[in-house]
Order: sequence, then structure tokens, then C-alpha cells
Amino acid sequence: QAVVTQEPSLTVSPGGTVTLTCGSSTGAVTSGHYAYWFQQKPGQAPRTLIYETSNKHSWTPARFSGSLLGGKAALTLSGAQPEDEAEYYCLLCYSGPWVFGEGTKLTVL
Amino acid sequence: EVQLVESGGGLVQPGGSLRLSCTASGFTLSSYWMIWVRQAPGKGLEWVANIKQDGSEKYYVDSLRGRFTISRDNAKNSLYLQMNNLRGEDTAVYYCASGDHLGYWGQGTLVTVSS
Repeated sequence: QAVVTQEPSLTVSPGGTVTLTCGSSTGAVTSGHYAYWFQQKPGQAPRTLIYETSNKHSWTPARFSGSLLGGKAALTLSGAQPEDEAEYYCLLCYSGPWVFGEGTKLTVL
Repeated sequence: EVQLVESGGGLVQPGGSLRLSCTASGFTLSSYWMIWVRQAPGKGLEWVANIKQDGSEKYYVDSLRGRFTISRDNAKNSLYLQMNNLRGEDTAVYYCASGDHLGYWGQGTLVTVSS
């Protein structure tokens, strides 16, 4: 099965902007991978932020956005808040199996 | 209130079996794909399996195919994961997720495989 890659860790300053990426070992990530982004804080279940590359749930803060960037799926956080410190996972939906990335630990500092 | 509640986890010896359940309230599971995801202690999320609305399509992570079986009972608004021949590396919190664009997640059930 494919391997999905994410940055292991990133740091952003409060109020700053950061982009997390999600790549695939099989080639470019496209809209056909229906990329999801999840946020998980310690001791909590994951929460779905973004689906199908760029769509937000009603609970997704406006400062989060999803896109395709340079052959990868991307999650951009604009105006980081302390409460955004968390682990972020992407999920790519291949034909049949789905694969999570290893996660990005985002520090707001 | 929409809820997904997993149950059936616990301590099991290597080689043993467990059946996890995921029951929904506040929405109807039959309209959605459903997935099982697991997270080993201190590790990331791992997609385990998913199942189509009517159960006609099922997919598994390669490493688990043959030991784990996903199923659903729409009449009971429930999802299941039968886990056989369990190994230490299966120790994890198991989550179910479903709903419109995976909007709903359970809180997870811990499976510990140890002698």
C-alpha cells in the first residue's frame, strides 16, 4: 500500500501562518484522493477539519483551509491560536485502501 | 445529540479474539460509509478497514486482511470489527468514524493484547 508523508513537526508563532503538506508515494495527490485533514489533541479522539481536499465542516475554524499545492495536499493555518497546538493527520482515499499520514505535531510558540 | 460509542475492548491474550462494536445515536448509519481506525500507544492513526453503506464493499489494510473482519447491521445502527489471532502489535485504541464526510468519531475503546 502507498505511503503518505507529512512533516514530523512544525512550529508557528501565535498569529502566524503555517502550511502542512501531505504527499503520496504513488505520485501527485489529486482531487481524486479526497484528502481529509484531522486534528487530534492529547487524550482526545480525532476531529475532522477538512474533507475532499478543501471543504470545511461547520465546526472548522475559518483560519484553516485545505488545498492542493505542488502535487501534495496542504492544510494552511492563517492566524494561529494557542489552541491550534495539536497533532494533524491527513488521510488519502485510494481505490480501496485508505492511508493516513504519520502526522505533524504543530507547536504554537 | 449525535454520538458514536465503541465497546468490546479489553485485555486479551495473544492468539485470542475480540469483537468490537460501534453504535450510533442521533443519526442513521445506513446512509454512510463507516471506518475503523486504530492508534497504538504514542503512535499515529492507522486506517484499519471500511465498509460501504449496504456492506457490499469492504476494504482492509494489507497487514490485517484475514485476521480482522468488518461488518455492519444497519437495523441495529451498529458497526462491528471481529479481531482474531490477536498479537501484541494490535494493542491500540480503536475508533469508529462515520457520518457526513467522517464528521463523527467515537471516543475509542482500548484493546490490550498481552499475556
